[in-house]
Amino acid sequence: DAKTTQPTSMDCAEGRAANLPCNHSTISGNEYVYWYRQIHSQGPQYIIHGLKNNETNEMASLIITEDRKSSTLILPHATLRDTAVYYCIVSPRSSNTGKLIFGQGTTLQVKP
Amino acid sequence: NAGVTQTPKFQVLKTGQSMTLQCAQDMNHEYMSWYRQDPGMGLRLIHYSVGAGITDQGEVPNGYNVSRSTTEDFPLRLLSAAPSQTSVYFCASSYRLGGTDYEQYFGPGTRLTVT
Repeated sequence: DAKTTQPTSMDCAEGRAANLPCNHSTISGNEYVYWYRQIHSQGPQYIIHGLKNNETNEMASLIITEDRKSSTLILPHATLRDTAVYYCIVSPRSSNTGKLIFGQGTTLQVKP
Repeated sequence: NAGVTQTPKFQVLKTGQSMTLQCAQDMNHEYMSWYRQDPGMGLRLIHYSVGAGITDQGEVPNGYNVSRSTTEDFPLRLLSAAPSQTSVYFCASSYRLGGTDYEQYFGPGTRLTVT
C-alpha cells in the first residue's frame, strides 16, 4: 500500500474551514484515499473516501488532485468537537480485507 | 445495532498472565481486525480475518493469537502478557457480503496495562 505524509499538527478557528493536506505520491491506480479521525482515545471514525473524483458527504469534502498524488480533506465549518487526530490512508478498496495501515495522522486543534 | 462491542474496557495483567480480549459485531460484516495503539502513536494492525475460519497476520502479530469461529466474534488472545503489550486495543469490522461499502467500524477499545 502507498504511504502517506501529513503535517503533524494544525490549528483552525471555530467556524472556519479546516483544510487538511495529505501527500501520497506513490499511490497506484487501484488505491483509494480514505480519511478517518480519532477523537480523544475513542475508536477511529470513518469520514470519507475517494478514488479520483472529488467527494462530499455530510461530514466533509475530499479534493484529490488530478495526478492523485495529493489530497485535501475539508471540514467546511469546524467546531470544537472536530478537534481530533485525522488519518489519511491509501488502500485498495475491494481487496482492503480489513487491513488499514495508519500513520501518525494530523492533530487538528479547533480553537474558539 | 450495537455496532462493534469490546470487553473488557480496562484490564490490568501481571507479566506472564494470559487473557482474551473479546470483540463482537452485529452488522453481519465479513472482515474483522485487531489493532493496537501505543501512547502518541497511530494504530498498528495485529491480526485480521476475512471470514469465519480465516485469519491472517498483520504488522505486529507476535504474542497474540486469534480465531474466528463465527461471523460475529473475533477474540484476541494474549498468550503470556509482557509490559510491551501495554496498549489500547481496538477491534474493527467492515464489509457486508454483496455490499459495496468497505469502511471500517471501530469498537471503543480495551485499555490494557501489563505490570
